[in-house]
Amino acid sequence: AQSVAQPEDQVNVAEGNPLTVKCTYSVSGNPYLFWYVQYPNRGLQFLLKYITGDNLVKGSYGFEAEFNKSQTSFHLKKPSALVSDSALYFCAVSPIKAAGNKLTFGGGTRVLVKP
Amino acid sequence: DTGVSQDPRHKITKRGQNVTFRCDPISEHNRLYWYRQTLGQGPEFLTYFQNEAQLEKSRLLSDRFSAERPKGSFSTLEIQRTEQGDSAMYLCASSPDRAWYEQYFGPGTRLTVT
Repeated sequence: AQSVAQPEDQVNVAEGNPLTVKCTYSVSGNPYLFWYVQYPNRGLQFLLKYITGDNLVKGSYGFEAEFNKSQTSFHLKKPSALVSDSALYFCAVSPIKAAGNKLTFGGGTRVLVKP
Repeated sequence: DTGVSQDPRHKITKRGQNVTFRCDPISEHNRLYWYRQTLGQGPEFLTYFQNEAQLEKSRLLSDRFSAERPKGSFSTLEIQRTEQGDSAMYLCASSPDRAWYEQYFGPGTRLTVT
């Protein structure tokens, strides 16, 4: 069975500073990896995905993530955080071989960007 | 608005009552998923449909839960004899076959069982 770990419940960063949200995963075989963001009173919004190819993937709102197979990690990054990036971020995984496919989510990391 | 819609947005019910939620996916999406999210946790998969066929159900989906997608369009999730532990946000998502991994989520239905 697949699993996702987001080791930090909350990340605090000053506006303009780099933002990193950590994610490690466990899956049988090769993974599809995703980041979603959840704003208060709104549904989850898709940010970016890793399917295959370049390990560095770029997504919406200036976010990017790096797939590291040896470390089974998929950390989310943004070079310069905005106050509006304050939200709840979820990492998710699905095994490529499992037709379907349901997503398995981590517990989420709350990001607070202070002005 | 062409996104995923869910109805109702909030539901308060007494323990033992039945509740039904509706999800309307994006019109051209033939895959539909239900997830449950409790406070402080990530969403957990419940079940998914490809067109009208229910192809997978989680162990979380007890006998009191049933989901349907009769015409391959909207879906309903019914919980019978609700328990306080059923209190959660119920999320619906849809995706196209060609890009099943890009799941678009609705705003959710928040259920409170008193």
